[in-house]
Amino acid sequence: KNEVEQSPQNLTAQEGEFITINCSYSVGISALHWLQQHPGGGIVSLFMLSSGKKKHGRLIATINIQEKHSSLHITASHPRDSAVYICAAYGGATNKLIFGTGTLLAVQP
Amino acid sequence: NAGVTQTPKFQVLKTGQSMTLQCAQDMNHNSMYWYRQDPGMGLRLIYYSASEGTTDKGEVPNGYNVSRLNKREFSLRLESAAPSQTSVYFCASSEWHSNQPQHFGDGTRLSIL
Repeated sequence: KNEVEQSPQNLTAQEGEFITINCSYSVGISALHWLQQHPGGGIVSLFMLSSGKKKHGRLIATINIQEKHSSLHITASHPRDSAVYICAAYGGATNKLIFGTGTLLAVQP
Repeated sequence: NAGVTQTPKFQVLKTGQSMTLQCAQDMNHNSMYWYRQDPGMGLRLIYYSASEGTTDKGEVPNGYNVSRLNKREFSLRLESAAPSQTSVYFCASSEWHSNQPQHFGDGTRLSIL
């Protein structure tokens, strides 16, 4: 079992829909990162959070430390949101980032 | 505003050949990392350099060597390439080796025949 698991693996949405991507982790962490990887490969850090909720534009990230669970929400989705979204947990025994396998999101017009 | 620059972007090698992937960052970051990304798997850490002058093994170091040439540059070397090393390689940097956002390069797509 991976230490960081994401669901769903693939997600197709219609433009305008509210999207939720989930991340569960089994290790003790000091923070949870969300990253975005566009076709062509570039990886961008979206959020780093250790409690509560953070918001940036149409993106919202939440974390529940007790339940070891984080969610990334996209409001009013747009085709330009199509990308792979990756969560990564920082901490545990290795004190490094442990990455999930990513969620491939396709937003159709 | 370059950030993290990786070269080359693409490379095809034959089994047994050697090559060095280059990475440079212009953000004055102390820590640098090399990852590989394979289908169906999360990014995996190959080696990292917490600060200039230090390097440490990550999760999958076998078959690789690294050099932290100076604060800006961190190279990854494949001494004798194997087909199992076919992957996309990412370099990243962060201000310190602690819980901070990492800045990634655009990746190097490497194929070993």
